Amino acid sequence: QVQLQQSGAELAKPGSSVKISCKASGYTFTSYYISWIKQTTGQGLEYIGYINTGSGGTNYNEKFKGKATLTVDKSSSTAFMQLSSLTPDDSAVYYCARRIFNYGSYYFDYWGQGVMVTVSS
Amino acid sequence: DIQMTQSPASLSASLGETVTIQCRASEDIYSGLAWYQQKPGKSPQLLIYGASSLQDGVPSRFSGSGSGTQYSLKISSMQTEDEGVYFCQQGLKYPRTFGGGTKLELK
Repeated sequence: QVQLQQSGAELAKPGSSVKISCKASGYTFTSYYISWIKQTTGQGLEYIGYINTGSGGTNYNEKFKGKATLTVDKSSSTAFMQLSSLTPDDSAVYYCARRIFNYGSYYFDYWGQGVMVTVSS
Repeated sequence: DIQMTQSPASLSASLGETVTIQCRASEDIYSGLAWYQQKPGKSPQLLIYGASSLQDGVPSRFSGSGSGTQYSLKISSMQTEDEGVYFCQQGLKYPRTFGGGTKLELK
């Protein structure tokens, strides 16, 4: 069965970086792009961007350019997201999700369990 | 970015009741809409995509409809396990955007 297994919770200091992972199983990793989504109580769900798991090509929501960096390791079927220059506003749950395409639009059919990132001094 | 507005923000329903949740897009999204259910402490689960297509494994009491800028999710007979928060998401334009969520509780 399709699974996206994310790394564990992170506690980070302001100004630092964290790198979270998303290991895929149960399907051909390079057949689907992986997207990343941020969830906070105040802002709800925000789309960060996606990575082409075959080529490593990326596309970011303008809001997250310079904040998030997406990479992939095909050999381990794992996608990564690094968040840099952390501030308290980056405290959130971060999800990876498998992207699907249907009649010109894109959706997310499988999600990781989420990683809680807490930024605090 | 396309703004997605859901209503109501919360509602409560009795067992067996029909529930409808609305989602409005700030521009025409040509049925490029999905609905997700999220339970406490869990990740969102895809229910409906393409405005009306039921994701595999989702009970048939869930249905979606709409076009243009107006969409709705209907639960034909509320069950205990349907409690949670429901989100809509537009998939037509980049960046993908989500509605603010509708919290559904059992009355």
